[in-house]
Amino acid sequence: IAGITQAPTSQILAAGRRMTLRCTQDMRHNAMYWYRQDLGLGLRLIHYSNTAGTTGKGEVPDGYSVSRANTDDFPLTLASAVPSQTSVYFCASSDSSGGASDTQYFGPGTRLTVL
Amino acid sequence: GQNIDQPTEMTATEGAIVQINCTYQTSGFNGLFWYQQHAGEAPTFLSYNVLDGLEEKGRFSSFLSRSKGYSYLLLKELQMKDSASYLCAVIESNYQLIWGAGTKLIIKP
Repeated sequence: IAGITQAPTSQILAAGRRMTLRCTQDMRHNAMYWYRQDLGLGLRLIHYSNTAGTTGKGEVPDGYSVSRANTDDFPLTLASAVPSQTSVYFCASSDSSGGASDTQYFGPGTRLTVL
Repeated sequence: GQNIDQPTEMTATEGAIVQINCTYQTSGFNGLFWYQQHAGEAPTFLSYNVLDGLEEKGRFSSFLSRSKGYSYLLLKELQMKDSASYLCAVIESNYQLIWGAGTKLIIKP
């Protein structure tokens, strides 16, 4: 069982380019999340999806878009990358049935550098 | 407003005990998580508290006081591998998870 995977592991991107970060989970979790983590700021929620077919905006959604066509996949797209989007991006999933099932499980992360 | 406070950094000695505190002010409360994150890696789940009191799991324990908006993570018999960041997170009434910035724990021999 892989759990939750992300691709690529790392990427250097020119400003203005379009980029999609991939996230796949095999735990059949209802909910999925995208976070960015910057030094000293902790994890900040970009977008989330409570179930396939629905998405919502988190704390820092500007410049990012997501889709949830099925249960397993939750790609994050940067339409036109800017240097301030340089960060480590984590995808997470949870069963989200309440209580301890709200525990989020994280992918290994994608380290993105925008030049 | 929403706020979770943790110390930025703590230092402890191998074999000792350390307590990492977390205070929170959030819109409602549906539980509190502690996660461990080693440098360059993803956060991993440590504990979940929703009722007041102490939850013990081996060398790690987590305490919650909802009336005080306070939790702590207690690590006993510290090992060098416990050097990591420890993240406190609270589930609000809308079931969104709010994260603290994390406490970097440095273990010295």
